[in-house]
Amino acid sequence: DAMVIQNPRYQVTQFGKPVTLSCSQTLNHNVMYWYQQKSSQAPKLLFHYYDKDFNNEADTPDNFQSRRPNTSFCFLDIRSPGLGDAAMYLCATSGRQGRGNNEQFFGPGTRLTVL
Amino acid sequence: DQQVKQNSPSLSVQEGRISILNCDYTNSMFDYFLWYKKYPAEGPTFLISISSIKDKNEDGRFTVFLNKSAKHLSLHIVPSQPGDSAVYFCAASPLKIIFGKGTRLHILP
Repeated sequence: DAMVIQNPRYQVTQFGKPVTLSCSQTLNHNVMYWYQQKSSQAPKLLFHYYDKDFNNEADTPDNFQSRRPNTSFCFLDIRSPGLGDAAMYLCATSGRQGRGNNEQFFGPGTRLTVL
Repeated sequence: DQQVKQNSPSLSVQEGRISILNCDYTNSMFDYFLWYKKYPAEGPTFLISISSIKDKNEDGRFTVFLNKSAKHLSLHIVPSQPGDSAVYFCAASPLKIIFGKGTRLHILP
């Protein structure tokens, strides 16, 4: 089955210790997204890639970086995690960017704990 | 400032009855709306959508209604089933998807 996979499902890191979250997809979609979701909050878009074009949201902290080495994989790097970065991180893909049918397919998420 | 608002954090409905989940938005430029469903420990999954040129879209037990003048949409589930218990996110899309905070739906036996 075509799908979006996130590894690991649970990640524990220490305050200030860099961490990388991984997302892969078998849907061959052009667009990949990273969202941050804190408890009882809406998923918040951090950035997205359209193919290799990186699009950062204006309010995404510099602490968050992303890499997309190929169509299938996308990584979220948190350079110096703070306690406030503890959240669920969702990866999503879509086959198109822009107006109209913008259905996104989500992975199961990685829950990040910062000690 | 929230552009997509789901004012009910939770809703309980008897099995077999109608579930109505509500959503309000503030930006009249939004032209596409989606509902996602999320089970615990899973990512959101797409449920149903509606374009702003329509006022109703139906898919089986799920119907979404859009009232553009009121900037309001609702999701109707009828009849409600135990498997419908989940968190439902309303989302709006001008170019990117903007999510509401979600409503947790409990279907009571």
